[in-house]
Amino acid sequence: DIQMTQTTSSLSASLGDRVTISCRASQDISNYLNWYQQKPDGTVKLLIYYTSRLHSGVPSRFSGSGSGTDYSLTISNLEQEDIATYFCQQSYTLYTFGGGTELEIK
Amino acid sequence: EVQLQQSGPELVKPGASVKISCKTSGYTFTEYTMQWVKQSHGKSLEWIGGINPNNGGTSNNQKFKGKATLTVDKSSSTAYMELRSLTSEDSAVYYCAREGYDEHFDYWGHGTSLTVSS
Repeated sequence: DIQMTQTTSSLSASLGDRVTISCRASQDISNYLNWYQQKPDGTVKLLIYYTSRLHSGVPSRFSGSGSGTDYSLTISNLEQEDIATYFCQQSYTLYTFGGGTELEIK
Repeated sequence: EVQLQQSGPELVKPGASVKISCKTSGYTFTEYTMQWVKQSHGKSLEWIGGINPNNGGTSNNQKFKGKATLTVDKSSSTAYMELRSLTSEDSAVYYCAREGYDEHFDYWGHGTSLTVSS
C-alpha cells in the first residue's frame, strides 16, 4: 500500500502570508496527487487534482506542485476563509490520504 | 449544481447494521463512480470503496471487506453503504464523494455521523 505523510500536523500563519503545505508519498505516484480542504464544520472540497490542476471555482491563490514522491500545496495571500485542515490524497493506486495539516491564524 | 445529500446521524447498538444513503442531483448519476470515505474522531480520511452506478461494479479497500456493502438505486440516483456487525471502532463520520474523470473526488456529501453505543 502507498502511504502518504504530511509531516506538519498544524501550522500557524498570518493573514496575507504565503503558506506551503507538504506531502510525501512512500513511492513514486506519477503526479496522481490531489488536495482537499476540510472546514471546521466538516465540509470537504476538492482544491487541486493531478498535482497542479485547479478545480472549478477554487480561488487562484491556491496552487499545487511536485513530482515523484514530494508534493506541496501553496496558498498565497492567506485569507480568513482558508482556515481549515488540508489533506493530500494519492490516486495512483487505489486511494490513500495523508494525515492532514490544520491551518490556523496567528 | 452537483449535490450529494446524505442521510442523517445514526445511533445504533453494537452488533447491528446501518444503511447510509447519498442522494444525488445535478448530474447524470450513472456516469460517475461513487466513492465512500471514513473519518474517525476528526482525524484523517480513509477510503472505503467505490461503486460504478452504471454496472454495479465495485472496488474496495480490503480493510473494509465484510464490513461495508455498496449498492445503488438508479431510479432515484441514490447510492447506499451498509455497514454490518457494528462495533465502537465503526463510530465515525462517513462521506460519499463523486469520482471525477481524473481519479479525484470532485464533490462530497456533508457527511453522516455514526455512533455505535449500547
